[in-house]
Amino acid sequence: DTEVTQTPKHLVMGMTNKKSLKCEQHMGHRAMYWYKQKAKKPPELMFVYSYEKLSINESVPSRFSPECPNSSLLNLHLHALQPEDSALYLCASSTRTLADLGNEQFFGPGTRLTVL
Amino acid sequence: KNQVEQSPQSLIILEGKNCTLQCNYTVSPFSNLRWYKQDTGRGPVSLTIMTFSENTKSNGRYTATLDADTKQSSLHITASQLSDSASYICVVSARTGANNLFFGTGTRLTVIP
Repeated sequence: DTEVTQTPKHLVMGMTNKKSLKCEQHMGHRAMYWYKQKAKKPPELMFVYSYEKLSINESVPSRFSPECPNSSLLNLHLHALQPEDSALYLCASSTRTLADLGNEQFFGPGTRLTVL
Repeated sequence: KNQVEQSPQSLIILEGKNCTLQCNYTVSPFSNLRWYKQDTGRGPVSLTIMTFSENTKSNGRYTATLDADTKQSSLHITASQLSDSASYICVVSARTGANNLFFGTGTRLTVIP
């Protein structure tokens, strides 16, 4: 299995809702990432998990809460979002986070989030 | 400052024609450079990976070049197809730093019949 899966594909939520995005990979990768991508812009890094521990938080607002229950799963819990948080949320994984060929990131298809 | 710039921002070509996309970077110390293809609403997919010592690498109709001295890379697409319509993103990896991946802004390619 050489893919990263994300659910749901689309999500519409109100500003008072609580929802979660899910990401899964079975490639044995020990680094997992969350990115936010606005239209016609490159992905922006949000969080990095390395060996199930949060290693990078790019000053993301606390209304986004990541969780890594095990080495194959990555969640992003959403609460009290704003309309400007509407975007494509991409999950990625890599063998490791070191700056070598082993950090080639494999991306999931993304979750299209709309906040009303 | 580590930056990756791509040109052109957008490009429209006729099916069957060739095109070349450019990527200039200031990332240092350099580790490797990747070209990704991203279809609208989908995640990026890696096309090529290039290290410091590699000048050219091909993947089917895609050929990437790297000049580490001038810090430039190009992606050449031969005999374009309608399915090549997508955004192409250049991603440069630094050898150090906690957040060591730097994304270009992408080139939006549209292939028309």
